Amino acid sequence: AQSVSQHNHHVILSEAASLELGCNYSYGGTVNLFWYVQYPGQHLQLLLKYFSGDPLVKGIKGFEAEFIKSKFSFNLRKPSVQWSDTAEYFCAVNAGNYQLIWGAGTKLIIKP
Amino acid sequence: KAGVTQTPRYLIKTRGQQVTLSCSPISGHRSVSWYQQTPGQGLQFLFEYFSETQRNKGNFPGRFSGRQFSNSRSEMNVSTLELGDSALYLCASSLGRGKYEQFFGPGTRLTVL
Repeated sequence: AQSVSQHNHHVILSEAASLELGCNYSYGGTVNLFWYVQYPGQHLQLLLKYFSGDPLVKGIKGFEAEFIKSKFSFNLRKPSVQWSDTAEYFCAVNAGNYQLIWGAGTKLIIKP
Repeated sequence: KAGVTQTPRYLIKTRGQQVTLSCSPISGHRSVSWYQQTPGQGLQFLFEYFSETQRNKGNFPGRFSGRQFSNSRSEMNVSTLELGDSALYLCASSLGRGKYEQFFGPGTRLTVL
């Protein structure tokens, strides 16, 4: 069965630290990849997405993600986090049957 | 443009009862997906509707059902509620299927006592 793994369930960083959140999926075919974010008290919203082309995609608020096909990975990065980045981050993969498969989420806490 | 709306926002029910949740998608969006969100489990896919037809169904028992109306509004029903059904139920709409971004509503918080 298709699955998405987010390796870290909780991450705590200080402001200005660099961030990398891991996401791996299990599907050998063509995939569409997404990162969503849920800020405290807010709706889930799209951070960035990859469909094809340049494997390095840029999203909102300075986030970027790199698709590495050989590693079945789509890791999220930000060079310098801010307190306002405190949120829960979800990786999702669409593979073949239009259904989005979601990771369990990573709760990110930024210490001021 | 109004976002995805879900009603009610909060529900408290007892075991054995049934519940109906409603979702109004963004105008023009024809696809509606439902998810169950619980702490540590992420989002579990329930079902997807497109043009009034269920296109995909997740691994949930038959107690969970849904439908979509001609105006793309969708309802989800859970019968014979169990304690484990307590969760945040999210509705998401999109213009189409697959590659399209999903826009989420605020969710309905269901508590089963």
